[in-house]
Amino acid sequence: GAGVSQTPSNKVTEKGKYVELRCDPISGHTALYWYRQSLGQGPEFLIYFQGTGAADDSGLPNDRFFAVRPEGSVSTLKIQRTERGDSAVYLCASSLTGGFSSYEQYFGPGTRLTVT
Amino acid sequence: QQQVKQSPQSLIVQKGGISIINCAYENTAFDYFPWYQQFPGKGPALLIAIRPDVSEKKEGRFTISFNKSAKQFSLHIMDSQPGDSATYFCAASNLGDKIIFGKGTRLHILP
Repeated sequence: GAGVSQTPSNKVTEKGKYVELRCDPISGHTALYWYRQSLGQGPEFLIYFQGTGAADDSGLPNDRFFAVRPEGSVSTLKIQRTERGDSAVYLCASSLTGGFSSYEQYFGPGTRLTVT
Repeated sequence: QQQVKQSPQSLIVQKGGISIINCAYENTAFDYFPWYQQFPGKGPALLIAIRPDVSEKKEGRFTISFNKSAKQFSLHIMDSQPGDSATYFCAASNLGDKIIFGKGTRLHILP
């Protein structure tokens, strides 16, 4: 079956611009996570959705970052007034809920964001 | 505060040898410890995971050893192959919540 998909795979934008990054989770997965990975580092948590609601947004670095999941499937990460420090790979993951299997998060290929 | 500490940062192993990567955690509430493998340009892929109620889990050439009292766990890759060359991340999670990752180990297997 299809895995987690993310679009675009690469995004180059100018400082100050607005960007949207999209994530399509595995069908039937109700939990969706966004992480950010800087070069040479491990992924860092941003936000977690259970269904349509954000269950934990404690990792969002500031109010320029926002994410939605209006129908409980596709999610969009939105970054306003981008800064060069926002350059990173943005990863999306999804998981089932219930039992041990709910712990297993499956990652997409990521969107590489470059802010010039 | 780094909740999951991973070592070494990089590792070179001869083909056929054993690769060992170590991790330590601080939060005793963690109840799920996965290892992820990441190739350049790809997302992390779940390799193997363990819960704290067992001390060892083996899947093929990959084994996790878990020491709850020491709050440490390790990944052993037996008969390491060039195709195993990748970055490996240990991680920890609590009740299916966000995953906390280590900083990664770049593994290179010499042919």
